[in-house]
Amino acid sequence: RKEVEQDPGPFNVPEGATVAFNCTYSNSASQSFFWYRQDCRKEPKLLMSVYSSGNEDGRFTAQLNRASQYISLLIRDSKLSDSATYLCVVKAGGFKTIFGAGTRLFVKA
Amino acid sequence: SQTIHQWPATLVQPVGSPLSLECTVEGTSNPNLYWYRQAAGRGLQLLFYSVGIGQISSEVPQNLSASRPQDRQFILSSKKLLLSDSGFYLCAWGHLNTEAFFGQGTRLTVV
Repeated sequence: RKEVEQDPGPFNVPEGATVAFNCTYSNSASQSFFWYRQDCRKEPKLLMSVYSSGNEDGRFTAQLNRASQYISLLIRDSKLSDSATYLCVVKAGGFKTIFGAGTRLFVKA
Repeated sequence: SQTIHQWPATLVQPVGSPLSLECTVEGTSNPNLYWYRQAAGRGLQLLFYSVGIGQISSEVPQNLSASRPQDRQFILSSKKLLLSDSGFYLCAWGHLNTEAFFGQGTRLTVV
């Protein structure tokens, strides 16, 4: 079983749609969780951290379910500029940072 | 502010040639350092991480090696490149339980 698993997509959605991504992780001792965004042929960049109580940043909402070992990202009112690959990231033991393979999102006009 | 530099941006190397990619971090001390590889259309594979000078943890057996000769310098090397070593190599830094920050990456093509 992979340490971090994501649905690769692609998700094709119209502008204004709400889209949700899930990610599962296998190490129950994982301590820190993040969502990154990666544009084509670019380095990944932090989108948001994921906190136990859930957190929101504008149109983006992240949630963590430790019991079921998954995290989620919800994007509301999708924009064309949201088109990218979204990477789920899990950190276990403070050092080892594991990335999921990513979920591709295409937002169309 | 912290910055991370990675070079070169692109590299074309023949099979069997050596490789040396360098990454340096500025504006922070004792960072955790990482090397990732991303094959075309695939996710990031953690290759090596380091929590201190001379301390290297290898995640995937391969013909690559890493070294950390100074606190903020991380080097990825190979003695003989294979075709399968082609990919997008990314260096990153972070601290305990914080997010990782990436360099701009090196796109390596082995021909």
